[in-house]
Amino acid sequence: AQKVTQAQTEISVVEKEDVTLDCVYETRDTTYYLFWYKQPPSGELVFLIRRNSFDEQNEISGRYSWNFQKSTSSFNFTITASQVVDSAVYFCALTRPAGNQFYFGTGTSLTVIP
Amino acid sequence: EPEVTQTPSHQVTQMGQEVILRCVPISNHLYFYWYRQILGQKVEFLVSFYNNEISEKSEIFDDQFSVERPDGSNFTLKIRSTKLEDSAMYFCASSEGRQETQYFGPGTRLLVL
Repeated sequence: AQKVTQAQTEISVVEKEDVTLDCVYETRDTTYYLFWYKQPPSGELVFLIRRNSFDEQNEISGRYSWNFQKSTSSFNFTITASQVVDSAVYFCALTRPAGNQFYFGTGTSLTVIP
Repeated sequence: EPEVTQTPSHQVTQMGQEVILRCVPISNHLYFYWYRQILGQKVEFLVSFYNNEISEKSEIFDDQFSVERPDGSNFTLKIRSTKLEDSAMYFCASSEGRQETQYFGPGTRLLVL
């Protein structure tokens, strides 16, 4: 069975602090894809990153970085120098080769305090 | 940049009524999806659609639900007889291929009274 766990339900940080959002997944597949989406207060789901299971290189995009560790089944997301506009719910998701549905975690609500 | 659009943004209906939620996927995408998110909860998969037929569906997607691609651009979700527990945000998504990134629409917030 596929499962995505985001143990942190809510996080608050002060602006300019760094913050890491955790994502742990379970799957028996050797090939799979991992995603992060941002859901701002307006409600839409904004794609952030897609990573396949064979690519364990960490990725950096501006203030965002992702740490994929297959050995611990984790795909953590770090925001450096957080800003108020980063306040949102962040979802980690998994998809498997045999199907195309996304399995979402329960989300982490991030509040950045000015 | 192309995007998925959904109408209406909000819908209020009485229990037992039929509702149709509409989506226009990104034009060159071949896979279409519906998800729902009950307030404050995670996003749950309902159904995927490819080549004019359902390719995958979840347990939530029972006989009350149906999907259709009535023309070359629209993708609809019909709920035949709404229940109170159908109140949720419904997201449409599309992707170029299987396991490709799914791009989500802004959602339709459905409230069943």
